[in-house]
Amino acid sequence: SQTIHQWPATLVQPVGSPLSLECTVEGTSNPNLYWYRQAAGRGLQLLFYSVGIGQISSEVPQNLSASRPQDRQFILSSKKLLLSDSGFYLCAWRGQGLQPQHFGDGTRLSIL
Amino acid sequence: GQQVMQIPQYQHVQEGEDFTTYCNSSTTLSNIQWYKQRPGGHPVFLIQLVKSGEVKKQKRLTFQFGEAKKNSSLHITATQTTDVGTYFCAGSHSNYQLIWGAGTKLIIKP
Repeated sequence: SQTIHQWPATLVQPVGSPLSLECTVEGTSNPNLYWYRQAAGRGLQLLFYSVGIGQISSEVPQNLSASRPQDRQFILSSKKLLLSDSGFYLCAWRGQGLQPQHFGDGTRLSIL
Repeated sequence: GQQVMQIPQYQHVQEGEDFTTYCNSSTTLSNIQWYKQRPGGHPVFLIQLVKSGEVKKQKRLTFQFGEAKKNSSLHITATQTTDVGTYFCAGSHSNYQLIWGAGTKLIIKP
């Protein structure tokens, strides 16, 4: 069966520090991969999605970037975090066609 | 751009009362999916509707997709404490990319 791993579960970082969040999927090949951010009590904001290795689409201009170095690995990065980057970051994968998205457990990021 | 409007933002109910959340799109959708996010958790897929006028049931949950494939609803009969959470709809067009509603938070009054 397919599983998705996302870490860390929580992270506290100072303003201006770098960020790297990793997400890996097992049990499937060539998944569509997604990074979302969710502010407290709010909806899901799509940040990036990828349909294949090295293919990244950005939905919102910001100081975050994403990379997909391997088929089932998706990384969210920042060189310098801002206070506004705080939130709940969720990775998700989807198979081809009209398939549902499956989410990781998320990372709660607090910027101090 | 394309949007899916979801209302209400919050709904407070007494345990045992019914709950309904509605989603509306300005354009025709290929399908609509529903997800539930428990407090502190991640969204979990509930169901997908594809056909015009489709109705699906999961125990006390009833999902509908409008005839024009522009609106959808989720109705919960006789809510229980385990139903607490935020319910999201997400529609897609031919490119399969989901457009998410803002969610409806179900709160059970003590």
